Amino acid sequence: GDSVTQMEGPVTLSEEAFLTINCTYTATGYPSLFWYVQYPGEGLQLLLKATKADDKGSNKGFEATYRKETTSFHLEKGSVQVSDSAVYFCALSPRAGFQKLVFGTGTRLLVSP
Amino acid sequence: ETGVTQSPTHLIKTRGQQVTLRCSSQSGHNTVSWYQQALGQGPQFIFQYYREEENGRGNFPPRFSGLQFPNYSSELNVNALELDDSALYLCASSLPADGQETQYFGPGTRLLVL
Repeated sequence: GDSVTQMEGPVTLSEEAFLTINCTYTATGYPSLFWYVQYPGEGLQLLLKATKADDKGSNKGFEATYRKETTSFHLEKGSVQVSDSAVYFCALSPRAGFQKLVFGTGTRLLVSP
Repeated sequence: ETGVTQSPTHLIKTRGQQVTLRCSSQSGHNTVSWYQQALGQGPQFIFQYYREEENGRGNFPPRFSGLQFPNYSSELNVNALELDDSALYLCASSLPADGQETQYFGPGTRLLVL
C-alpha cells in the first residue's frame, strides 16, 4: 500500500542554519506530494505541494522537489528562524481514486536563537 | 472566505460513551475528510464524504460513523468509546472538481477518553 517515511526527529538547529528534512514515499501510480506544518496546539497548515515529477513546491522560504527516480520529496530551507519551530508532515495523495492523504509520522524541528 | 471550523475544541468522555464531533467546511468545498491523530503520530484517514455520501474509508471499525449535510458540513460519531480513541480529530475540506487534491484542515477537536 501507499506509505510515507520521514526522518526521525527532533531536528535541532540554531537560527539561520540550513534545514533538510528527508521524506521518501511508496505509491502506485503518480501521487501528489505535500508538506504540512503543525504548530503547538494547532491543526495542520499546508506548507507546499507538487503534483508531478520534477515540480518544485515553495512557500515562505521552504522548498521541496518531486523526485520520481528516488521517490523523494525532501524539505529544505536556507536559513531557519525560531518561528519555524513546529512539526512537519510529509504526505501523499494517490492520483487515482478518492482523495485521502497518507501522512508520515512527522519530524519535530526545534530552532534556538 | 471562511476556513474550516470544528467544534468543540476539547472534550472529555468516559469509556463506553458516545461522542459527536462537528465540522464546517471551507466555503465552496463539497468534500470533507476526517483524520485521527494520536499523540506523536501522523494523522490517519478515517473516512471521506462527498455530496452527502461516504466516498472512502480507512482502517477504522464501524463504531466510527459520519454524516454530511446539504450545506457540506459534517459530523463524526464514535460509539462505545475506548481509551485508545483519545486523540486529536481533524477535519479537512477540499474541492476535487477543480482538479486540485489539496485538503485544508481545521484546528481539530482534542478528545480524551477516561
